[in-house]
Amino acid sequence: GAVVSQHPSRVICKSGTSVKIECRSLDFQATTMFWYRQFPKQSLMLMATSNEGSKATYEQGVEKDKFLINHASLTLSTLTVTSAHPEDSSFYICSARDSGRNTEAFFGQGTRLTVV
Amino acid sequence: SQQGEEDPQALSIQEGENATMNCSYKTSINNLQWYRQNSGRGLVHLILIRSNEREKHSGRLRVTLDTSKKSSSLLITASRAADTASYFCAALGGSYIPTFGRGTSLIVHP
Repeated sequence: GAVVSQHPSRVICKSGTSVKIECRSLDFQATTMFWYRQFPKQSLMLMATSNEGSKATYEQGVEKDKFLINHASLTLSTLTVTSAHPEDSSFYICSARDSGRNTEAFFGQGTRLTVV
Repeated sequence: SQQGEEDPQALSIQEGENATMNCSYKTSINNLQWYRQNSGRGLVHLILIRSNEREKHSGRLRVTLDTSKKSSSLLITASRAADTASYFCAALGGSYIPTFGRGTSLIVHP
């Protein structure tokens, strides 16, 4: 089946630093990728939709300058949490939609970010 | 984007019993998908049912869709302790963006 690789799985960083999370589709091309944030025992909140070669579309309330998204190729999207603060600590999950099968999205394993 | 809302929020059963979870949505959809999430992990796609389908099976999973009631159910038969996880539905409309409700937390006791 389709595989989405997300890296790193866990990261601890100091307040004020930036962290980059990668999302790769390994065996399919993904024109569109999605980034979600999940708080403990909560649902996945869609943060932004990432489109290859164009600017990401952010959901209401999500700071564009805080969460930088780059989708430079059909298999890679990155989320950079800039100037991280403890309140940014969360579980971030990416999803990639198979360009050939538009109706299904595949998820990465998630990244546990802890800002100290 | 379309959102699915699952109920119950929590379900606790014994191994061997069946587990039923429900999902409701608000507007017309192209398909509805069920996902599973183990604690602290990413989502695993379980099954997709299209708007013109009423029932679908995959192993011990059975999904139904009632578009007139805008609802779907996921049945896990003969549950196992390893089925313990959170289950989410995502109802996809024209934008095909998966958006989720709070999920159902299933605990299967050995």
